[in-house]
Amino acid sequence: EVQLVESGGGLVQPGGSLRLSCAASGFTFSSYWMTWVRQAPGKGLEWVANINQDGSEKYYVDSVKGRFTISRDNAKNSLYLQMNSLRAEDTAVYYCARLRGLDLDYWGQGTLVTVSS
Amino acid sequence: NFMLTQPHSVSESPGKTITISCTRSSGSIASNYVQWYQQRPGSAPTTVIYEDNQRPSGVPDRFSGSIDSSSNSASLTISGLKTEDEADYYCQSYDSSNHGVFGGGTKLTVL
Repeated sequence: EVQLVESGGGLVQPGGSLRLSCAASGFTFSSYWMTWVRQAPGKGLEWVANINQDGSEKYYVDSVKGRFTISRDNAKNSLYLQMNSLRAEDTAVYYCARLRGLDLDYWGQGTLVTVSS
Repeated sequence: NFMLTQPHSVSESPGKTITISCTRSSGSIASNYVQWYQQRPGSAPTTVIYEDNQRPSGVPDRFSGSIDSSSNSASLTISGLKTEDEADYYCQSYDSSNHGVFGGGTKLTVL
């Protein structure tokens, strides 16, 4: 059974940093693109970043470029999102999701990041 | 970059049919496949349509997807509405940099 479990969310002050993790199981992690998607409270979905199978290709939404870094460790079946210089507008539930072709076919349950003083 | 515009909300009675539109602001809707995701309150999204009109296994054939180049839009149609279909629905496509773009979402209420 495919499982994606996010962790690392929490309360952080503006300007602070946080590292999210996503533990994958039930599939060959190294064979798939992976994605981070976020959802601000009461708002819609926003594509944050995605990374290819070996980590050599990465894409970011403009609002996080230069502040967030997506990475992966295929030996540990894990996806990461390093978030620096956090802002109030980064407050959201962050989901990791597997990309099968063009489809986000499996999602984790999300981890909440709150940026507030 | 482009935007995908959806109606904010749609409501209909059980047993009826609804269509949710997703209009691309620039560039051709046909240039990149469109996916549709369903999100029930408190849950992660799940796919109901991928690659414009493909249904994942387990999704009932009441759900269908299409694109219309003349209106530069994609559509999700749900027939035989059930109360369990009540959810938020998001369209999604890709830009030229392989970055995903979501529509703003449509809240479906089944009265």
